[in-house]
Amino acid sequence: GAVVSQHPSWVICKSGTSVKIECRSLDFQATTMFWYRQFPKQSLMLMATSNEGSKATYEQGVEKDKFLINHASLTLSTLTVTSAHPEDSSFYICSASAGVLYEQYFGPGTRLTVT
Amino acid sequence: AQKVTQAQTEISVVEKEDVTLDCVYETRDTTYYLFWYKQPPSGELVFLIRRNSFDEQNEISGRYSWNFQKSTSSFNFTITASQVVDSAVYFCALSEAFQGGKLIFGQGTELSVKP
Repeated sequence: GAVVSQHPSWVICKSGTSVKIECRSLDFQATTMFWYRQFPKQSLMLMATSNEGSKATYEQGVEKDKFLINHASLTLSTLTVTSAHPEDSSFYICSASAGVLYEQYFGPGTRLTVT
Repeated sequence: AQKVTQAQTEISVVEKEDVTLDCVYETRDTTYYLFWYKQPPSGELVFLIRRNSFDEQNEISGRYSWNFQKSTSSFNFTITASQVVDSAVYFCALSEAFQGGKLIFGQGTELSVKP
């Protein structure tokens, strides 16, 4: 299957700083990328959907000014957590798809800890 | 509204036992996709199966089998002769055909297989 990478795999940052997470599709062009958040012992919750070259579509309740998503190319999407706080500590997972009717391939996830 | 329910939060079995993980879904669409993913302790989601709403055939892959019944809106997953390596959290997910590929996940079932 297709490969999706995420970087970094884990990050610790101080409260108030911003953190950028990268999601790359390594062997296919991803017109659509999804960002999910997973708190411990909970399910994956979709945060936003991004299409290459367009603004991301955020799910209800997700602050677009806090979670900045950029999908500038067909192989790269970034999620920036701005002014991070301890409650933003979570496991962030991206997935990439060649189109809405195609399979989603998941990245390995990024564990964010805000101290 | 679309929804996925995995009523079993945790299941514990002894190695070589068979185990069935339940999944019930709700959707108003006639065209949709159902998925099962495995999430081991490492966190990376492992794709197991995708089934579209027009294909009610049961699927078998090695020790894994899936039973899709539209009449009861269920898509259950059975592991035969379970092994310790099967220990993980298993998620059932739903994607409606015209919702841009968004995945709605169930709450997950944590399976523990003891030697």
